[in-house]
Amino acid sequence: KQEVTQIPAALSVPEGENLVLNCSFTDSAIYNLQWFRQDPGKGLTSLLLIQSSQREQTSGRLNASLDKSSGRSTLYIAASQPGDSATYLCAVPTEDDKIIFGKGTRLHILP
Amino acid sequence: DAGVIQSPRHEVTEMGQEVTLRCKPISGHNSLFWYRQTMMRGLELLIYFNNNVPIDDSGMPEDRFSAKMPNASFSTLKIQPSEPRDSAVYFCASSLREQFFGPGTRLTVL
Repeated sequence: KQEVTQIPAALSVPEGENLVLNCSFTDSAIYNLQWFRQDPGKGLTSLLLIQSSQREQTSGRLNASLDKSSGRSTLYIAASQPGDSATYLCAVPTEDDKIIFGKGTRLHILP
Repeated sequence: DAGVIQSPRHEVTEMGQEVTLRCKPISGHNSLFWYRQTMMRGLELLIYFNNNVPIDDSGMPEDRFSAKMPNASFSTLKIQPSEPRDSAVYFCASSLREQFFGPGTRLTVL
C-alpha cells in the first residue's frame, strides 16, 4: 500500500533564502509524482508534474527532482518570497484510480 | 459521514454523447472542487465553488464543460458533447479546511 510522507510538516524561513521540501513514498512503482500548492479556501494548484521516466522538472524558481529507486522527491524553491507562503503537497496516483497525498508542508516566508 | 460521494464510478460513452458526473460533498463543507486526472497531465483543477458560487473556472478546458452547484449538497459536471480526449478520472473534493476527495469517476469516451 502506497504511503506518502512529507518532511518537514512546517517551515519558516526568511525571505530570499533557498529551501527544500521533501517527499517520500513507499512504493516505487509510480508513473508520476506531482507537487501542488494549496492556499486557504482555494483549489490545489499544480506546480510540477514529474513522469516516472524523468528525474527533474523546472518551472521558474521551482525545481522538483524524482528518485524512484530511493522513493524520494524534493521541491527546491529558490530565492523565496512572502508570496510563496502556502501549503505544499506531493501526490502520487495509483493504478486503481486513487491519488495518495502527503500531509503537506506548511511554508511561511518571513518578510 | 460517508465522505464525498461521486456517481457513477465508471462511465463509458460514445463520442458526441452528453455526460453528467455527480458529486455529493461532505455535509457542512463550504467548498467544492472538480479535478481531472490523466497520466500525462496529472491532477488538474477544473473549477471550484465556495458556498455554492463558482469562484474560479479557469481550469475548465473548453465550453463543452460546465459545472453547477444548485445547493450545498449537490454538484454536477457536464460534458456536452463528449470527445475521446475527455477520457480521464474526474474527482470531486470538498473542504471546510482540509480537502477530502471522492473516489472518482472513470470516464471513457469511445
